[in-house]
Amino acid sequence: EMQLVQSGAEVKKPGESLQISCKGSGYSFTIYWIVWVRQMPGKGLEWMGAIYPGDSNTKYSPSFQGQVTISADKSITTAYLQWSSLKASDTAMYYCARGDSSGYYYPRFDPWGQGTLVTVSS
Amino acid sequence: QSVLTQPPSASGTPGQRVTISCSGSNSNIGSNYLYWYQQLPGTAPKLLIYTSNHRPSGVPDRFSGSKSGTSASLAISGLRSEDEADYYCAAWDDSLSSVVFGGGTKLTVL
Repeated sequence: EMQLVQSGAEVKKPGESLQISCKGSGYSFTIYWIVWVRQMPGKGLEWMGAIYPGDSNTKYSPSFQGQVTISADKSITTAYLQWSSLKASDTAMYYCARGDSSGYYYPRFDPWGQGTLVTVSS
Repeated sequence: QSVLTQPPSASGTPGQRVTISCSGSNSNIGSNYLYWYQQLPGTAPKLLIYTSNHRPSGVPDRFSGSKSGTSASLAISGLRSEDEADYYCAAWDDSLSSVVFGGGTKLTVL
């Protein structure tokens, strides 16, 4: 069974750093893009960016470029989303999902991880 | 505001057919495939329709998608109480060089 399992909920203070993870299994991890999607409380979905685990090629949304870092370790079939200095406005649910094998420009996201809730508060 | 425009809400009674629209432009829906997602309350989104009108295995044929020009729609026939969810459209935008989502439509089954 294909699945993505994300790390648990986090509570952080403004200015702190954070890395959350997304472990894939049940499929060939290196040949499908992994995407990250943000959902702020009570709001819609926002595409943050994607990574191709085979060669760690990344593509960021212009809205998130420079705000987060997406990485992957193909040896342990895990992708990461990282912040160097969190803000209160980063409070949201973050989902990873398996993208298409053909490219980051096909938003065929299936399956999705269960989500990681990040709360940033002083 | 979202690049793709959806009505914020829709409703129907059990057994009815409802449609949800998604409007965009030449740089997104007009030149790329359209995808639909269903998000049940408190859960992660789920792929419902891909490449405008195809269903992944396991998605009932009550769900169908269509696209014409810079607009698309999701149709749900034989509405059931378990269809109550948020629905999102998504497409690649050539101008923004990004995946864009609609703002979402909350479907209520009366």
